[in-house]
Amino acid sequence: EVQLSESGGGLVQPGGSLRLSCVASGVSFATYAMSWVRQTPGKGLEWVAGISGSGDNTYYADSVKGRFTISRDNSKDTLYLQMNSLRGEDTAVYYCAKGRLTWGSGGAFDDWGQGTLVTVSS
Amino acid sequence: TQMTQSPSTLSASVGDRVIITCRASESIDSWLAWYQQKPGKAPQLLIYQASNLESGVPSRFSGSGSGTEFTLTISSLQPDDFATYYCQHYNGMFFSFGPGTTVDIK
Repeated sequence: EVQLSESGGGLVQPGGSLRLSCVASGVSFATYAMSWVRQTPGKGLEWVAGISGSGDNTYYADSVKGRFTISRDNSKDTLYLQMNSLRGEDTAVYYCAKGRLTWGSGGAFDDWGQGTLVTVSS
Repeated sequence: TQMTQSPSTLSASVGDRVIITCRASESIDSWLAWYQQKPGKAPQLLIYQASNLESGVPSRFSGSGSGTEFTLTISSLQPDDFATYYCQHYNGMFFSFGPGTTVDIK
């Protein structure tokens, strides 16, 4: 059974930084593309960033480009999201999600973590 | 590509046939997935590539469509199905979610 477990969320002031982690188990982690998806409280879902299985290719939503960095350590089965210059509109639950395919960008997301809440406020 | 869903809220009873529509602002072929989300939980994949049922998902769920218009059908609504449903377009490393449809108890 695939399990994804996020951590690192919390309260941070505007302009601050935070690093999220997502540890995977029960899966050949390096085989799959991974993404971060966020959900504003009471609102819908927004894809934030994605990374290929090897880590060679990364992709970002326009709303976070230049401020967030996605990375992975396949030796530790761990996905990261470094978030800098945080704004109030970044407040959300952040999920890591696994692509269902072992090639390309992975397609749809067949496994999700439980989410970690990031609150940006003074 | 912008994704829209209708209706935004749907009130239904157990046993009802439920249809949710998702539209894309341009053709997306069949690169569409459907997710179910319950309060406080992560989304769960139901359908991928417009009409393929994810493993373990009950057969009362089905998806259809291609191009710009897609539907998710629940053939006979069960108590466990009251939730919010999202469509998602995926193409390479581009992902776009619809705004969601909440199915609540009539």
